Amino acid sequence: AQSVTQLGSHVSVSEGALVLLRCNYSSSVPPYLFWYVQYPNQGLQLLLKYTTGATLVKGINGFEAEFKKSETSFHLTKPSAHMSDAAEYFCAFSGNTPLVFGKGTRLSVIA
Amino acid sequence: DGGITQSPKYLFRKEGQNVTLSCEQNLNHDAMYWYRQDPGQGLRLIYYSQIVNDFQKGDIAEGYSVSREKKESFPLTVTSAQKNPTAFYLCASSNTGNSIVRNTEAFFGQGTRLTVV
Repeated sequence: AQSVTQLGSHVSVSEGALVLLRCNYSSSVPPYLFWYVQYPNQGLQLLLKYTTGATLVKGINGFEAEFKKSETSFHLTKPSAHMSDAAEYFCAFSGNTPLVFGKGTRLSVIA
Repeated sequence: DGGITQSPKYLFRKEGQNVTLSCEQNLNHDAMYWYRQDPGQGLRLIYYSQIVNDFQKGDIAEGYSVSREKKESFPLTVTSAQKNPTAFYLCASSNTGNSIVRNTEAFFGQGTRLTVV
């Protein structure tokens, strides 16, 4: 079965610190992977996606993610957190079905 | 501007009542989806449609119904059979043609928050 696991339902970082949100997947087919961000009471916005090719993917707002097949991971990082990064983040997987989402990680940024 | 419009933003339902959530897109996308979001559970797929007049059940279709009479529209009806309908509902679309192309991201509407009163 295809699945996505996000480690940590809540992550808290200081402003200016590194952001690391973890995502692991399980799949029998080559994965296409996505990170979305959601602000309160809003829809989801695409941050970045991995399809094929370069394993380090750069997205909007300074975020990037690295696809590591050997670790079945697609962790999201940002070198320096900003207050505006506080939101919920979802990792998603596309196999041979519609997008499958992880349960989300809520990011808090402390001033 | 192209996008996905969900209405209403807030909806209140009485026990035993059916309600319909609207989703319209002007992105010319073939595929449309309905997800349900509950705190701590991520997004769960209710129904999806790849082409007009065709749709498939997702993981939690019980108590819901959909129609796809037009490419632009994919309304979701929450029936009285859905015992716990209070949730945030998200509609999405993607440009997938007649099959689900795996590298195509989904675009989301702003959601409808449904509350049972």
